[in-house]
Amino acid sequence: SQQGEEDPQALSIQEGENATMNCSYKTSINNLQWYRQNSGRGLVHLILIRSNEREKHSGRLRVTLDTSKKSSSLLITASRAADTASYFCATIVGNDMRFGAGTRLTVKP
Amino acid sequence: ETGVTQSPTHLIKTRGQQVTLRCSSQSGHNTVSWYQQALGQGPQFIFQYYREEENGRGNFPPRFSGLQFPNYSSELNVNALELDDSALYLCASSLGGGHTDTQYFGPGTRLTVL
Repeated sequence: SQQGEEDPQALSIQEGENATMNCSYKTSINNLQWYRQNSGRGLVHLILIRSNEREKHSGRLRVTLDTSKKSSSLLITASRAADTASYFCATIVGNDMRFGAGTRLTVKP
Repeated sequence: ETGVTQSPTHLIKTRGQQVTLRCSSQSGHNTVSWYQQALGQGPQFIFQYYREEENGRGNFPPRFSGLQFPNYSSELNVNALELDDSALYLCASSLGGGHTDTQYFGPGTRLTVL
């Protein structure tokens, strides 16, 4: 069963715009991770944010975590066509890791 | 490229058969996790092996079993295949048990059950 739910399911933007994806979950977590997947291939780890952290940055990526609302967001700034992919959040509780269904991002050149 | 390899790339089986999927972890990694990803869905955690011992399991029946070898490569075995087992099977290697370290995913094995 999946714990996280990404919103929106699909997002289409122009190159150079920012993309924001949200993730909501149901139970308390140890940490939350964001992954990217291109065309049904292997996932690429983007960022891990721990339950006691509120914000993390990595290059053009910014992740926030609000444990009171049980939600996280991933912001990609100045998007590029190469950012076109599916993005998943994954919540970690103990040794269990649960992914959401993902947001499909399309960046038009 | 992550250094994690999986074989085979594609596989077609019929209901009731058994299948073995293989994963070679990145050099130096002692942990392998397996995931099932149905079409259009997120991956679902099957189980994890850390230093040859099972170290956590998701909500999958016992017909899904695994092994980790002394070189930390791993196998996923599925018995009595069902149509719903058709999916992309992903393995990921990491250093250290659990899910707090960065996981490096292989390209996956696409299993089709007819």
